[in-house]
Amino acid sequence: GEDVEQSLFLSVREGDSSVINCTYTDSSSTYLYWYKQEPGAGLQLLTYIFSNMDMKQDQRLTVLLNKKDKHLSLRIADTQTGDSAIYFCAESIAYNFNKFYFGSGTKLNVKP
Amino acid sequence: DGGITQSPKYLFRKEGQNVTLSCEQNLNHDAMYWYRQDPGQGLRLIYYSQIVNDFQKGDIAEGYSVSREKKESFPLTVTSAQKNPTAFYLCASRMGQNTEAFFGQGTRLTVV
Repeated sequence: GEDVEQSLFLSVREGDSSVINCTYTDSSSTYLYWYKQEPGAGLQLLTYIFSNMDMKQDQRLTVLLNKKDKHLSLRIADTQTGDSAIYFCAESIAYNFNKFYFGSGTKLNVKP
Repeated sequence: DGGITQSPKYLFRKEGQNVTLSCEQNLNHDAMYWYRQDPGQGLRLIYYSQIVNDFQKGDIAEGYSVSREKKESFPLTVTSAQKNPTAFYLCASRMGQNTEAFFGQGTRLTVV
């Protein structure tokens, strides 16, 4: 199957860490992506991880992948008000590379 | 600068009318996609195209049509058969397998 699930909302205080979680069902995923969407805008790629990796770090962003549990997370360190947005995880499937499957998005609200 | 451009940003349609949303990319990408986004929901795939003169239905193609006469262009027509067309429409393009998708800034369509 191609279900990608995320919790809908997350609220944190400025300066705290945010952890956004995602689960997927298709074990043939090759790449998993995190996108950010600001209000009224398109999606911007934040980072991605290849399915044979466990972790990837990029400045304030850390992606963790537990392939056994099909669980992906995005940690944002020192969260800022400018990080308030909707975050989507997406997977690319080995047997149908032309399709991207997106989660429903997690709305991150950062309080001052 | 390379990128993907959607126009117009806002579009109003009377009931019973067809409208066409434009999507142009100068990234030399082979694959192009159209997604629909409704409030609080993820992205749902309408149509995608792997190559010029070829396109495939996505998960919610009913009431929509596309063409791919040029590599750079993938217009989406929302026909009068689409029962609930008010939504945010996103176009994306991608070089090929296991590469990131680049998104346009979206078109918000409202039926009046």
